[in-house]
Amino acid sequence: AQSVTQPDIHITVSEGASLELRCNYSYGATPYLFWYVQSPGQGLQLLLKYFSGDTLVQGIKGFEAEFKRSQSSFNLRKPSVHWSDAAEYFCAVGAGYSTLTFGKGTMLLVSP
Amino acid sequence: GAVVSQHPSWVICKSGTSVKIECRSLDFQATTMFWYRQFPKQSLMLMATSNEGSKATYEQGVEKDKFLINHASLTLSTLTVTSAHPEDSSFYICSAPRALENTGELFFGEGSRLTVL
Repeated sequence: AQSVTQPDIHITVSEGASLELRCNYSYGATPYLFWYVQSPGQGLQLLLKYFSGDTLVQGIKGFEAEFKRSQSSFNLRKPSVHWSDAAEYFCAVGAGYSTLTFGKGTMLLVSP
Repeated sequence: GAVVSQHPSWVICKSGTSVKIECRSLDFQATTMFWYRQFPKQSLMLMATSNEGSKATYEQGVEKDKFLINHASLTLSTLTVTSAHPEDSSFYICSAPRALENTGELFFGEGSRLTVL
């Protein structure tokens, strides 16, 4: 069975500092991997996705993620965090949209 | 702008009543839509896959008679929580996939917060 682990429930980062959100997955084949962001009371917005090819994926809002098969990881990074990045971030894995499994999310807090 | 819209964004109802939540794809046709439930501090759990013109496919453990799904058109799916009870209080989110130039993306609605008193 596929699963996603986001080991950090909360992360606090100073504005302007770099960010890395961790995601580890368990999947039987080459996965499709996604990062979504959810603002309070809102739906989810896709930040980036990995299907194949270059393992370093660029997304919206300055985010990037790197697929590391050997570590079963797909960590999300941003070099300089803005206060507007405060939100909850979900990593997801699946073979397609109907089979997506989401992690429990990481809440990002940005301090001034 | 939003490409998938849900209505209402929040609803409060009495125990025993039924509540309908709508999910619309705004500028594309969606033969499939997905319904999720999200508890506080938890992830999204897929409840069912809504199929236009046919019966919905429910995930294991989801009561199909409790959560009625209708996908009557290519732009609208509805979720009706029947005889709602306080334990049905949750954040319900829908999504729809849209094909874009040989790739695809899953678009999510804004979510609907249900509170059952």
